[in-house]
Amino acid sequence: GQSLEQPSEVTAVEGAIVQINCTYQTSGFYGLSWYQQHDGGAPTFLSYNALDGLEETGRFSSFLSRSDSYGYLLLQELQMKDSASYFCAVRGAAGNKLTFGGGTRVLVKP
Amino acid sequence: DGGITQSPKYLFRKEGQNVTLSCEQNLNHDAMYWYRQDPGQGLRLIYYSQIVNDFQKGDIAEGYSVSREKKESFPLTVTSAQKNPTAFYLCASRPDEANYGYTFGSGTRLTVV
Repeated sequence: GQSLEQPSEVTAVEGAIVQINCTYQTSGFYGLSWYQQHDGGAPTFLSYNALDGLEETGRFSSFLSRSDSYGYLLLQELQMKDSASYFCAVRGAAGNKLTFGGGTRVLVKP
Repeated sequence: DGGITQSPKYLFRKEGQNVTLSCEQNLNHDAMYWYRQDPGQGLRLIYYSQIVNDFQKGDIAEGYSVSREKKESFPLTVTSAQKNPTAFYLCASRPDEANYGYTFGSGTRLTVV
């Protein structure tokens, strides 16, 4: 089976930097993804790491260390619109299906 | 624009009823997925299909059924055997490229009355 752990909630102010950690245990690993979900909305894809290292996409970056079974999502220059839940997800072998973590709720304050 | 359409947005079910949630995509994706989300929690996989006329159980398939007769369509039936069906249901599809993420529909919120 697969399991993922991430913090349940993080609070920060506008302009700050937030790091959301994700540790995983999996029997098969093909990559770590991150998704953003606003309240009542659909998850939207942010990033995907298959190899170790940092991937940068605008204000968001994602990191993966396969040897440590660990990754993180870095949110920079926080804006009010970044208030949402963020999920890490592991891609396994069978059916390329994703297993999601419980989500981290990020609250951005003025 | 390409995307995934889920309907209805809200659905109310009486005890003992079967209900079917619609999911249609025009992205030409082979793989489609159904997830369930309970308040404040992550997504759990119900069923998935990698190709037409084929589907597999996910982690919480009991009380649910699916069909995949067309590439564009992957309906989910919540049967009376599902004892706690109140949840937010999300349909997704995936492109062939591994580094592209899933595309999700806007979801159906099912409530038992």
